[in-house]
Amino acid sequence: GAVVSQHPSRVICKSGTSVKIECRSLDFQATTMFWYRQFPKQSLMLMATSNEGSKATYEQGVEKDKFLINHASLTLSTLTVTSAHPEDSSFYICSAGQGAGPGELFFGEGSRLTVL
Amino acid sequence: QQQVKQSPQSLIVQKGGISIINCAYENTAFDYFPWYQQFPGKGPALLIAIRPDVSEKKEGRFTISFNKSAKQFSLHIMDSQPGDSATYFCAARGGAQKLVFGQGTRLTINP
Repeated sequence: GAVVSQHPSRVICKSGTSVKIECRSLDFQATTMFWYRQFPKQSLMLMATSNEGSKATYEQGVEKDKFLINHASLTLSTLTVTSAHPEDSSFYICSAGQGAGPGELFFGEGSRLTVL
Repeated sequence: QQQVKQSPQSLIVQKGGISIINCAYENTAFDYFPWYQQFPGKGPALLIAIRPDVSEKKEGRFTISFNKSAKQFSLHIMDSQPGDSATYFCAARGGAQKLVFGQGTRLTINP
């Protein structure tokens, strides 16, 4: 299947700093990517839909000024956690689909963020 | 209405046995029902998926049974192996390709 790569896989930062996580579709173009958040032993919660060339669409309750999403190309979306706090510590996962129509979504390996 | 309810929360099965995980949904607009397997510290990986016009799909040891009228679907893992020990999530796709995930089932296969 198609490959979605996330970087970094782990990041530790100090409270108040910003952290950027990259999500790349390696062998296909993705007009839409999705960002999820997963707390330990819990399910994946959709944070936002990232659309290439336009603003991201955030789910209810997700602070768009805190979680900045940029989808500058058909193969790259970035999530920036701004002014991170310990409660932002979580596992962040992106997914991408091939083409604009319905079909399989491919998930990245996830990025573990720890805010001290 | 956007929820997908998954059970059981955890499951222990002996090696060689059948693991069964169930999911139920309310939204009849869902059009695609995948199952994902997730190992600790990794992203979810697609196991098998089904569309609502099909009642069963089998791939190797994994089978999805789909009951459209009851709005339920289940994953059966035949001949369960210790390597199958992982967390399993059902999901349902709604509008704009958005996936709604079940709560997850932690499966342990005892050798």
